Amino acid sequence: GAVVSQHPSRVICKSGTSVKIECRSLDFQATTMFWYRQFPKQSLMLMATSNEGSKATYEQGVEKDKFLINHASLTLSTLTVTSAHPEDSSFYICSASGQAPWDTQYFGPGTRLTVL
Amino acid sequence: GEDVEQSLFLSVREGDSSVINCTYTDSSSTYLYWYKQEPGAGLQLLTYIFSNMDMKQDQRLTVLLNKKDKHLSLRIADTQTGDSAIYFCAERLNTPLVFGKGTRLSVIA
Repeated sequence: GAVVSQHPSRVICKSGTSVKIECRSLDFQATTMFWYRQFPKQSLMLMATSNEGSKATYEQGVEKDKFLINHASLTLSTLTVTSAHPEDSSFYICSASGQAPWDTQYFGPGTRLTVL
Repeated sequence: GEDVEQSLFLSVREGDSSVINCTYTDSSSTYLYWYKQEPGAGLQLLTYIFSNMDMKQDQRLTVLLNKKDKHLSLRIADTQTGDSAIYFCAERLNTPLVFGKGTRLSVIA
């Protein structure tokens, strides 16, 4: 199956700093990438959808100035958490899908962010 | 509207079969999926079924789809301790997928 990687897998940062998370589709071209947030023992919460070369579409309640998404190529999308605060601590998961109608979403392994 | 419902917990004994159920509301779903999430990991696609199929079997996994009742199930035969995880069903209408809240499967040795 298609492989999606995320980097880093785990990051600890101080409050007020910015953190960038990378999501890469390794063996297919991802026209659309999705960023999710998952709280402990809860389901996935979609944050935003991004198409290559376009601005991301954010879900209601997600601050676009705080969670900056860049999808500059068909294999790479980045999520930058700006001025991170402890409440931003969470598990962030990206997924990618290709161009065919039957393409599902393939998920990265997730990034555990802890803001001190 | 879009809504996918799953029971939250299931506990089975090792070697027994597990059946995880899911209901969805939108009959125009094209594909339905089952994902597995192990602790601290992302979601792994287990299997999927196209909406014009009734059943799909892949080794220990059997997916049953009842379009009339909008009911999807995942049966895991000979459940092993390594099957302990959260299982999400999802439906595809457009983009993105609509996920259920996940069923936590616990396998008792």
